[in-house]
Amino acid sequence: QVQLQESGPGLVKPSETLSLTCTVSGGSISGYYWSWMRQSPEKGLEWIGYIYYTGSTTYSPSLKSRVTMSVDTSRNQFSLRLNSVTAADTAVYFCARYGSVFYFDYWGQGALVTVSS
Amino acid sequence: QTVVTQEPSFSVSPGGTVTLTCGLNSGSVSTSYYPSWYQQTPGQAPRTLIYNTNTRSSGVPDRFSGSILGNKAALTITGAQADDESDYYCVLYMGSGIYVFGTGTEVTVL
Repeated sequence: QVQLQESGPGLVKPSETLSLTCTVSGGSISGYYWSWMRQSPEKGLEWIGYIYYTGSTTYSPSLKSRVTMSVDTSRNQFSLRLNSVTAADTAVYFCARYGSVFYFDYWGQGALVTVSS
Repeated sequence: QTVVTQEPSFSVSPGGTVTLTCGLNSGSVSTSYYPSWYQQTPGQAPRTLIYNTNTRSSGVPDRFSGSILGNKAALTITGAQADDESDYYCVLYMGSGIYVFGTGTEVTVL
């Protein structure tokens, strides 16, 4: 059974960079697309973007200027960086795997990131 | 800006049927948007229910079904049970690798 686990700092200061890693277990990161989403009471669930195991990426137009995703196949991990954060970036961040037909089949449990000084 | 709209809330009696919809602020939803549906309870990760309009994910009871109704995607719960009380989200594939989540529907079973 594929499992995903988000990890990273739970508190980030305004204007700094949010960094999260998703570790995949029970399966290989190779051959799949991997995504990041976030959820806040104000905005609901929001798709951030995805990365293919080869490193190619697609980002949400609304976040594209601040987002970078990367993948480390040797560690079976992929990562999210979001720069110049504000309080509006406070959310639970989820990582997920893409299934065969444009959907998310496996999800991490989520990691709360708070932006505050 | 694309907005994917869902009813804010629904109430259904145990054993009853409820249909949630997923629409676009401009245009119609078709199978070409590959609608998928997710169930989420507070503090938990979303659980995949339906993908590619009407395909149930592994282990999902057959009381959950997906379809296109008119110009919207739809999720129908037939024979609602107490543990169906959750938030439900749809996701549409907009093309060019872009996905958009719906606004979510809170379902109460009482």
